[in-house]
Amino acid sequence: KAGVTQTPRYLIKTRGQQVTLSCSPISGHRSVSWYQQTPGQGLQFLFEYFSETQRNKGNFPGRFSGRQFSNSRSEMNVSTLELGDSALYLCASSLAPTYEQYFGPGTRLTVT
Amino acid sequence: DQQVKQNSPSLSVQEGRISILNCDYTNSMFDYFLWYKKYPAEGPTFLISISSIKDKNEDGRFTVFLNKSAKHLSLHIVPSQPGDSAVYFCAATVSGNTPLVFGKGTRLSVIA
Repeated sequence: KAGVTQTPRYLIKTRGQQVTLSCSPISGHRSVSWYQQTPGQGLQFLFEYFSETQRNKGNFPGRFSGRQFSNSRSEMNVSTLELGDSALYLCASSLAPTYEQYFGPGTRLTVT
Repeated sequence: DQQVKQNSPSLSVQEGRISILNCDYTNSMFDYFLWYKKYPAEGPTFLISISSIKDKNEDGRFTVFLNKSAKHLSLHIVPSQPGDSAVYFCAATVSGNTPLVFGKGTRLSVIA
């Protein structure tokens, strides 16, 4: 079974631009969560989707948004990029909003 | 306020010896705990978990111990192998209904 895939793997953007990241969960998984990882901060929860509905949202500004499609694929969008948004963005999927999540390799976003 | 803390940013252990990674939490509502391992350029992979109704869970070379009164858990790896060198994250949730809260990670180096 294929794992969680994230595209693109690397991205360089300029301050003020917007970016869309994509995540394809493991086949059959309906729950997708997004995390931001920055040096020294660990993984910080962004949002969780289940069956196209946002179930939980982390403490991030409204510039961060996401959605989930009927095939469980998910996208997250960051508008008006800031230097501090440079991070590894990780997507994780699970069969349902349960404990054991399977992570993708992440998208490394660099904002210059 | 950090609800899950991994106070040791790094740990070095000789091959064949025991590695002990520690994690403390402050939220007494947490009742399910997980450990993830992360190699560079890859997403975290699930390692082992423990429910608050148990105080120990074992899986091969990996054992997690939970001390609820001290709000402390630890991951023991015996014997340690060079392939165990990675960043280890501790995570916690409330009955699987809340997003995983991660610690900042401990980098384990197993020296041959």
